[in-house]
Amino acid sequence: GEEVAQTPKHLVRGEGQKAKLYCAPIKGHSYVFWYQQVLKNEFKFLISFQNENVFDETGMPKERFSAKCLPNSPCSLEIQATKLEDSAVYFCASSLFMGSPTDTQYFGPGTRLTVL
Amino acid sequence: DAKTTQPNSMESNEEEPVHLPCNHSTISGTDYIHWYRQLPSQGPEYVIHGLTSNVNNRMASLAIAEDRKSSTLILHRATLRDAAVYYCILDNAGNMLTFGGGTRLMVKP
Repeated sequence: GEEVAQTPKHLVRGEGQKAKLYCAPIKGHSYVFWYQQVLKNEFKFLISFQNENVFDETGMPKERFSAKCLPNSPCSLEIQATKLEDSAVYFCASSLFMGSPTDTQYFGPGTRLTVL
Repeated sequence: DAKTTQPNSMESNEEEPVHLPCNHSTISGTDYIHWYRQLPSQGPEYVIHGLTSNVNNRMASLAIAEDRKSSTLILHRATLRDAAVYYCILDNAGNMLTFGGGTRLMVKP
């Protein structure tokens, strides 16, 4: 598609439950990024992919967070055993190229995760 | 990554020009200056980027100081739809974007 699609729009989980978020990048884009926005303006980079390969996962909390981008499927971000502090808006972005500082990232509308 | 400093908030009247400043005194020679904005309840969207020369596109203009230690995003005629948080970001690697606090722009009718 012409836009980055994210589902679901909202997700509510009880503490300890699993949460799975999905992202369909723009058709033809090979690079996918996940960001977490906790407070209104505070973004944290989580992970990036080049096709199905992890490119940079320096922002991923290792214990409970995992992500995949498989061929012909939406990318996914999964949080096992959610905690209250995981409540945030999770944004996915895609880009045609990566590795050049002139690349543009296109963001999806986000998934708001609320952990109760 | 080199850091950027922006005012927390700015106000503008509708249909007037807006100049959003960004300081980046530790910018390196290979850092590009990017601007993204986040409209309420939406994901960030690209606005403009530049290296040394001033840049114009349909959304905005980017004025870059000669020493590159600061830049200004110019919206020529602010509309209510331009109310957003504007982020100035330096990038030299084309991987993740490092967002700072941004400037919340309020546009008064």
